[in-house]
Amino acid sequence: QQQVKQSPQSLIVQKGGIPIINCAYENTAFDYFPWYQQFPGKGPALLIAIRPDVSEKKEGRFTISFNKSAKQFSLHIMDSQPGDSATYFCAGVYGGATNKLIFGTGTLLAVQP
Amino acid sequence: KAGVTQTPRYLIKTRGQQVTLSCSPISGHRSVSWYQQTPGQGLQFLFEYFSETQRNKGNFPGRFSGRQFSNSRSEMNVSTLELGDSALYLCASRFLALTYEQYFGPGTRLTVT
Repeated sequence: QQQVKQSPQSLIVQKGGIPIINCAYENTAFDYFPWYQQFPGKGPALLIAIRPDVSEKKEGRFTISFNKSAKQFSLHIMDSQPGDSATYFCAGVYGGATNKLIFGTGTLLAVQP
Repeated sequence: KAGVTQTPRYLIKTRGQQVTLSCSPISGHRSVSWYQQTPGQGLQFLFEYFSETQRNKGNFPGRFSGRQFSNSRSEMNVSTLELGDSALYLCASRFLALTYEQYFGPGTRLTVT
């Protein structure tokens, strides 16, 4: 019940394309869903996050779409750039003081020039 | 404001030895969490400390332990190292117990030979 399933495992798009990464969760106790971006040799960086009472959130070129009934959420990267090439992780967080991140398995994104 | 810092960045140890990793959170942040990242298991939660108290613990053996000091700095210790402990160990900090946003450091790459 703690899993967060993420797909695809890897993704290649052309510059300007819109890569979409999908995640699904089982545990309805999650009440915060962040996305992290990780470059080689670096720690994960918080990119954008959403609460389950919101269906969509945009920050710059990054958009999260959230479907509470289906227990699914996705990350869209508009006008993708080669600098967006990185590994992306979705996660779920339990509410309250137990702020344990349950991560998806990651998506390696390559944006070709 | 400086980010999360971790020392050392790289470490090579021999099976059976023990190791101590250090983490300094973002100034003002009082919660520190530790995660293990491996290609096979992904990102897994180890434990979280807040105000020098362990608040939550992941599913790792007792060889993995940690502590937090009064200045919020944290250390984690792994005793009797095994080859499978080779991983990137990440520290994340957050401001208060009830805030969700966690910020990661660059990690310590531990190699056990």
